[in-house]
Amino acid sequence: DQQVKQNSPSLSVQEGRISILNCDYTNSMFDYFLWYKKYPAEGPTFLISISSIKDKNEDGRFTVFLNKSAKHLSLHIVPSQPGDSAVYFCAARGEGYQKVTFGIGTKLQVIP
Amino acid sequence: GAGVSQSPSNKVTEKGKDVELRCDPISGHTALYWYRQRLGQGLEFLIYFQGNSAPDKSGLPSDRFSAERTGESVSTLTIQRTQQEDSAVYLCASSLNGGGLNYGYTFGSGTRLTVV
Repeated sequence: DQQVKQNSPSLSVQEGRISILNCDYTNSMFDYFLWYKKYPAEGPTFLISISSIKDKNEDGRFTVFLNKSAKHLSLHIVPSQPGDSAVYFCAARGEGYQKVTFGIGTKLQVIP
Repeated sequence: GAGVSQSPSNKVTEKGKDVELRCDPISGHTALYWYRQRLGQGLEFLIYFQGNSAPDKSGLPSDRFSAERTGESVSTLTIQRTQQEDSAVYLCASSLNGGGLNYGYTFGSGTRLTVV
């Protein structure tokens, strides 16, 4: 039972354009959401997070949007760069719970 | 250390053999997690250690899996009588005080286990 769903296994974007990675969740107890980035042969690295009391969090080229009523979040990367090519994992956590539930990831390719 | 260190980085084992995977967390991180990623699947939670509290073992898939952690240091994940479905990348992560609202996990590079 996938509580965190990333329905697009891959995405290709031209350099300089916007990359939008989507994520849906089913557990209404989740109230903290994270995005991780993973390069081949490396562990995932924390990218950006958002609490459910917010609907947007921005960090440089990365912005995460949360639509709690739709149980949907998205990661926007603007402008996309070739170094952004990686697998992006959406993750979620419930208040008071320490373990994080991850999606299966979306492979982003930014074409120079 | 500067990061989370896992060893070995790759392990090929015969079906039925036992394996031990090691994780050295970041110094000072009280929380330690094990996840695995099987081919085409997401990160699957296995077990969580927080300080001296009893570990959360709810993600361990069977009694062939066990993990230990001594204090706030090294952890060992043991898989007994390995099966082919155990083949995966096993990832260890640590965090300060269980992560908190402003921290994510810091992951190691993982151990790629192949059971033949």
